[in-house]
Amino acid sequence: KAGVTQTPRYLIKTRGQQVTLSCSPISGHRSVSWYQQTPGQGLQFLFEYFSETQRNKGNFPGRFSGRQFSNSRSEMNVSTLELGDSALYLCASSLGRPTTDTQYFGPGTRLTVL
Amino acid sequence: DAKTTQPNSMESNEEEPVHLPCNHSTISGTDYIHWYRQLPSQGPEYVIHGLTSNVNNRMASLAIAEDRKSSTLILHRATLRDAAVYYCILSKQAGTALIFGKGTTLSVSS
Repeated sequence: KAGVTQTPRYLIKTRGQQVTLSCSPISGHRSVSWYQQTPGQGLQFLFEYFSETQRNKGNFPGRFSGRQFSNSRSEMNVSTLELGDSALYLCASSLGRPTTDTQYFGPGTRLTVL
Repeated sequence: DAKTTQPNSMESNEEEPVHLPCNHSTISGTDYIHWYRQLPSQGPEYVIHGLTSNVNNRMASLAIAEDRKSSTLILHRATLRDAAVYYCILSKQAGTALIFGKGTTLSVSS
């Protein structure tokens, strides 16, 4: 079974631009979660989607948004990029709730904001 | 979500058992205990999780204290590949997010 895939793997943007990251979950998984990982803050929860509905959102500004499609694929968007948005963005999928079902993580997208 | 406390770092020798502790004194009765690990340059991977009873799988064992205020992840024979950051996480059964802390960085020497 194919794992979680994320595209692109690496991205370089400049301040003020916007970016869209994509995540394809494991087949049959309906929950997709997004995390931001930085050396200073560690792994921080961004949001979780289930069946196209956002069920939970972390403490991030409104510049961070996401969505999930009917095939469970998910995208996250960051608008008006800031230098502090440079990070590894990780996507994870699970069958149902990530709090009771195993979460499978993708390799991440490394975003660099110049 | 209830907070967990883990040592910042631990060291082990190859082929020896490793006991990674986690304190969670404010755990509630329905909180699950999860362990994930993150190898260098990779996304986190699931290790094990449990509720009340001790759990075993092919990767590790999870020993949960009787009062559930602490738990220990046991790697039975450490290998160099087990060098990673290990995260102990509590979650509500009806929750929709895993909140990661700083974790324990495990170093394994040959």
